[in-house]
Amino acid sequence: AQSVTQPDIHITVSEGASLELRCNYSYGATPYLFWYVQSPGQGLQLLLKYFSGDTLVQGIKGFEAEFKRSQSSFNLRKPSVHWSDAAEYFCAVGAWGSNYQLIWGAGTKLIIKP
Amino acid sequence: DAMVIQNPRYQVTQFGKPVTLSCSQTLNHNVMYWYQQKSSQAPKLLFHYYDKDFNNEADTPDNFQSRRPNTSFCFLDIRSPGLGDAAMYLCATSRGSGRPQHFGDGTRLSIL
Repeated sequence: AQSVTQPDIHITVSEGASLELRCNYSYGATPYLFWYVQSPGQGLQLLLKYFSGDTLVQGIKGFEAEFKRSQSSFNLRKPSVHWSDAAEYFCAVGAWGSNYQLIWGAGTKLIIKP
Repeated sequence: DAMVIQNPRYQVTQFGKPVTLSCSQTLNHNVMYWYQQKSSQAPKLLFHYYDKDFNNEADTPDNFQSRRPNTSFCFLDIRSPGLGDAAMYLCATSRGSGRPQHFGDGTRLSIL
């Protein structure tokens, strides 16, 4: 069955520290992979996507993610977080079945310590 | 800027009183989605339109219906809201299946 796992419900990092949010997926074919960010009370904003090609993907707001097929992972990274990065982050896999839909992870809440 | 706009941002209705949420887009995308998101959970797809073709998820309650009168607009109708329907409702669009989805800011629905 197709699934997305974000093992960390919440992560706390200090402002200026590096960040890595984990995402593992289960999907039978080459996946379409996405990271979205959601600030409180807001909709979801696309940070980056992977369809094919270079496995290191650059996104907005200084984020990047690396697709590792052997590990079924698509971890999100940022070298230095800012207080404005505090939000919920969702990893998603684009799945083709009878219809195309996104399979979502449960989300990771990022807390920034001053 | 091209965008997805949801109105209202906050909606309060009474138990059992029908309510309609609206979504408009200036992206000219052919696919429109409605999601329900409860607190601290991932979005849950309710249904989507591929052009005029309506696709209902198997576990979407019959209480929820949708209309798409034209490319730009899509409506979510909740016929008889129950307390369990209190949630954030998100509209999204994409240029075809498999393409990134662009979200509105959502409508937070409260049920009295």
